[in-house]
Amino acid sequence: ELKVEQNPLFLSMQEGKNYTIYCNYSTTSDRLYWYRQDPGKSLESLFVLLSNGAVKQEGRLMASLDTKARLSTLHITAAVHDLSATYFCAVDINNDMRFGAGTRLTVKP
Amino acid sequence: DAGVTQSPTHLIKTRGQQVTLRCSPKSGHDTVSWYQQALGQGPQFIFQYYEEEERQRGNFPDRFSGHQFPNYSSELNVNALLLGDSALYLCASSFALGAATNEKLFFGSGTQLSVL
Repeated sequence: ELKVEQNPLFLSMQEGKNYTIYCNYSTTSDRLYWYRQDPGKSLESLFVLLSNGAVKQEGRLMASLDTKARLSTLHITAAVHDLSATYFCAVDINNDMRFGAGTRLTVKP
Repeated sequence: DAGVTQSPTHLIKTRGQQVTLRCSPKSGHDTVSWYQQALGQGPQFIFQYYEEEERQRGNFPDRFSGHQFPNYSSELNVNALLLGDSALYLCASSFALGAATNEKLFFGSGTQLSVL
């Protein structure tokens, strides 16, 4: 059965610091997604990674995918308070999208 | 351009009752997926509809059923509600590209269901 594991589950950062969130999955897939969810809100699509070695960047966030290692990373550069949210990775297996448990990120001044 | 819209936004039911949730996809999208998100957890895939048929289904009992209409809108029905069905129910739409229907999902704001 497909398992998607994120770590850490909770992350408290200082503004200006860098950090990486990891997403491991147990079954071969070349479709991986990152979403952001603010408290009480719905999910916002951040990145869609569709091939091995894919790297996408937007603002202070950069996502990458290594399908051989079954690993995706979400790197945060010079964090700012506005990035505080819960971040989910999700893996698509035959149109069944499985989400990780989420990483709750808090960026402190 | 309206995004994905869901109704109602909040709903309170009692155990044993039945509920129907509604979703209108983003304009131009033909595929609708439903997810259940319990508090503090990631969304769990319920099922996906494409061309008015259930295309894929997650690990949910038959109490959960759905429908897609010719205009691509969709309904999620849950029968014999249990306390454990309390959750945020999210609808997501996408545009099918052959077999790949999850190129990019757009999520609605969800329906918060409370079962008492």
